[in-house]
Amino acid sequence: GESVGLHLPTLSVQEGDNSIINCAYSNSASDYFIWYKQESGKGPQFIIDIRSNMDKRQGQRVTVLLNKTVKHLSLQIAATQPGDSAVYFCAETSPGAGSYQLTFGKGTKLSVIP
Amino acid sequence: NAGVTQTPKFQVLKTGQSMTLQCAQDMNHNSMYWYRQDPGMGLRLIYYSASEGTTDKGEVPNGYNVSRLNKREFSLRLESAAPSQTSVYFCASSRMEALPEAFFGQGTRLTVV
Repeated sequence: GESVGLHLPTLSVQEGDNSIINCAYSNSASDYFIWYKQESGKGPQFIIDIRSNMDKRQGQRVTVLLNKTVKHLSLQIAATQPGDSAVYFCAETSPGAGSYQLTFGKGTKLSVIP
Repeated sequence: NAGVTQTPKFQVLKTGQSMTLQCAQDMNHNSMYWYRQDPGMGLRLIYYSASEGTTDKGEVPNGYNVSRLNKREFSLRLESAAPSQTSVYFCASSRMEALPEAFFGQGTRLTVV
């Protein structure tokens, strides 16, 4: 889940297992949600997004689930690989002043055990 | 494709010094953004430019100024650096302001001593 302190929550997963990374958001008006992956020393990289009128979206080895009732978002990674080791951020956007601005969560560190 | 290019990659400043972080994108994107990332925290928006010729404040604009030089380039200036501005700075761009998929540069690690 998302951290409220200085230390990132860490998820350790055995290679080949499935990973589930959770995110809680606070703005009920948010209508677009994105997951980003950030490898060490690099900028965030877009993984997958989902609109608020959907509750599930699948990509290649990744699935995002959205539960608007409890304002919860999750990212599922199938058959986790060492290359999936990174910090994962959820981000939300909401309409405002005619432009979208991304609000990022604090991130979860995924460590894959070979 | 180069994507989003930031310079420099690393910088150490003394308190009170000024500097400009450069960002250029080659994807013909309309919107550009500057974020800062502090340890254990997500990215926070400093300034953004929805289109060439416009700039707006984000969540944490104090102590910074920006210039959208042309469609490709968006610079961030620290007029008088403070230790609280020690951070990793990311520039990003998106095709248009209404699209949330942003492409990020590699970041500039700035230390103010």
